[in-house]
Amino acid sequence: GAGVSQSPSNKVTEKGKDVELRCDPISGHTALYWYRQSLGQGLEFLIYFQGNSAPDKSGLPSDRFSAERTGGSVSTLTIQRTQQEDSAVYLCASSLVGGSNQPQHFGDGTRLSIL
Amino acid sequence: AQSVTQPDIHITVSEGASLELRCNYSYGATPYLFWYVQSPGQGLQLLLKYFSGDTLVQGIKGFEAEFKRSQSSFNLRKPSVHWSDAAEYFCAVGDGRAAGNKLTFGGGTRVLVKP
Repeated sequence: GAGVSQSPSNKVTEKGKDVELRCDPISGHTALYWYRQSLGQGLEFLIYFQGNSAPDKSGLPSDRFSAERTGGSVSTLTIQRTQQEDSAVYLCASSLVGGSNQPQHFGDGTRLSIL
Repeated sequence: AQSVTQPDIHITVSEGASLELRCNYSYGATPYLFWYVQSPGQGLQLLLKYFSGDTLVQGIKGFEAEFKRSQSSFNLRKPSVHWSDAAEYFCAVGDGRAAGNKLTFGGGTRVLVKP
């Protein structure tokens, strides 16, 4: 399909382990976003990539969270030393370009469960 | 800081009846407003968006929304609900002042459709 692809769809891991979540945006989309959806906090912005510009990391909750985007396409969100409060659905979105008038297209998310 | 409030956490509606979901926003400038729908286990799908111009916007699946600046509202409506409309609905505002497009989401309204 031509949509945003995220993998894995589900991830269960033990507290303290590191996890990597992958996002493959729509081809040609230069802007990529990560959000977190949790019961207590709703939908929260995490990080934004636009082309070759420095990412906007203002939403990352701690230094255990990091993300990169290689070649302006695929992105990986990494959570180190996972904690139970990291359990959530992590959603990736992309848009053709950055900007407030650009609709974001979302993937189906990765459901992360920390035991 | 911008914020979005969806006052109704749950709404139950009979199939064929009309539906209205409330959304109030707080934002200092002209907002960019969006409605998204999320079915269980899936990502968010864009229903419609408002940037400027006609305050009544039409979206997919028979939905429409009306922007009322005086009330800081962007309510979503559908004249006749189908069982497939059972889902969670999110109102969001885009940050028009930033280079990116951080979306701030409301807490969501879960819609249940009775046969």
